[in-house]
Amino acid sequence: GAVVSQHPSWVICKSGTSVKIECRSLDFQATTMFWYRQFPKQSLMLMATSNEGSKATYEQGVEKDKFLINHASLTLSTLTVTSAHPEDSSFYICSARQTSGSNNEQFFGPGTRLTVL
Amino acid sequence: GQQLNQSPQSMFIQEGEDVSMNCTSSSIFNTWLWYKQDPGEGPVLLIALYKAGELTSNGRLTAQFGITRKDSFLNISASIPSDVGIYFCAGRDQGGSEKLVFGKGMKLTVNP
Repeated sequence: GAVVSQHPSWVICKSGTSVKIECRSLDFQATTMFWYRQFPKQSLMLMATSNEGSKATYEQGVEKDKFLINHASLTLSTLTVTSAHPEDSSFYICSARQTSGSNNEQFFGPGTRLTVL
Repeated sequence: GQQLNQSPQSMFIQEGEDVSMNCTSSSIFNTWLWYKQDPGEGPVLLIALYKAGELTSNGRLTAQFGITRKDSFLNISASIPSDVGIYFCAGRDQGGSEKLVFGKGMKLTVNP
């Protein structure tokens, strides 16, 4: 149980294009999903907290108009990197937290490697 | 902001050896978590701790929630090659936020 998937697993795009990354909780419902980015050899940096049916809460320094988050259902959240630039190249990881049950910690997806040319 | 100090930053050990790592925080946490991340993958939850003084095992892994609630350690006994990876501690504070604070990670290398 507690499986989280991400799609795509990797993407290469041209500068200026937008990229959408999906995060799904496959076997549980998650009212809260989190989006992180991770640079090589560094820890995870929280970008935003996404709650189903409401606006995401962004961490300080993260541009909400650049990183659009939609959490339309209890099993799906999407992150859209708009007008991507090479500095946006990173490993993006989502996590989901179960709404009920004894094991309601954050479970992470496998990550999406974004490379912007 | 909150900081987690995780040490050591890396370790090189021989297969069969035990390894210990710890995390300390500048503030009190009510939850400590330990994750393992393999290259190109997302972190996988290893152990979750919720009570001060709690000692929890998961196979060859043992973790403890410090009495002061500002620290935690993780032990791996009888290491095997597949233990290679990056181990992160993470904590959640008392404020009711769902957010986790992560340590910088410890890279473990196991020589067969």
